[in-house]
Amino acid sequence: ELKVEQNPLFLSMQEGKNYTIYCNYSTTSDRLYWYRQDPGKSLESLFVLLSNGAVKQEGRLMASLDTKARLSTLHITAAVHDLSATYFCAVDPLGNTDKLIFGTGTRLQVFP
Amino acid sequence: DSGVTQTPKHLITATGQRVTLRCSPRSGDLSVYWYQQSLDQGLQFLIQYYNGEERAKGNILERFSAQQFPDLHSELNLSSLELGDSALYFCASSTSGGSGETQYFGPGTRLLVL
Repeated sequence: ELKVEQNPLFLSMQEGKNYTIYCNYSTTSDRLYWYRQDPGKSLESLFVLLSNGAVKQEGRLMASLDTKARLSTLHITAAVHDLSATYFCAVDPLGNTDKLIFGTGTRLQVFP
Repeated sequence: DSGVTQTPKHLITATGQRVTLRCSPRSGDLSVYWYQQSLDQGLQFLIQYYNGEERAKGNILERFSAQQFPDLHSELNLSSLELGDSALYFCASSTSGGSGETQYFGPGTRLLVL
């Protein structure tokens, strides 16, 4: 059974600091997705990574994918309060479907 | 706003009852997905439809069923409801359902079974 694990589960960080969220998965896949969810809200797509070595950046967030290590990272640069949310990674286990398996989520809180 | 709409936003019902959740995909999207989010199970894929046909199935209970209509809206039917079915149910849509496409999520329907 495919497992998608994120760590840390909770992250409290100061504004201006950098940090990385890790997403490990247990099967071969070159399709990795990152989503953001604000409390009580829906999921917002952040990144879609489609190949080994893929790197995408948007504002203070940068995501990368290493399919050989079965690892994706979401790096936060100079955090601001608006980034406070829960971040999910998701994997397409077969690499050819849209059946996404989500990780546990990382709850990020950015404080002044 | 993703362009995906879901109704109702909230639903409170009793055990043993049946409810229907409705989803309208983004304009032009042919594929619809249903997910369940709960505290103990996290986010789970339930089922996917593409242009009216079932394409992929996940951890969907036999008490649950779904369909996609010719106008591409979709309905998720939950029957013989149990307390454990209380959750947030999301619908998502994508253009053609191909791998690697972004799935756009609706606002969700929060179901509470008493």
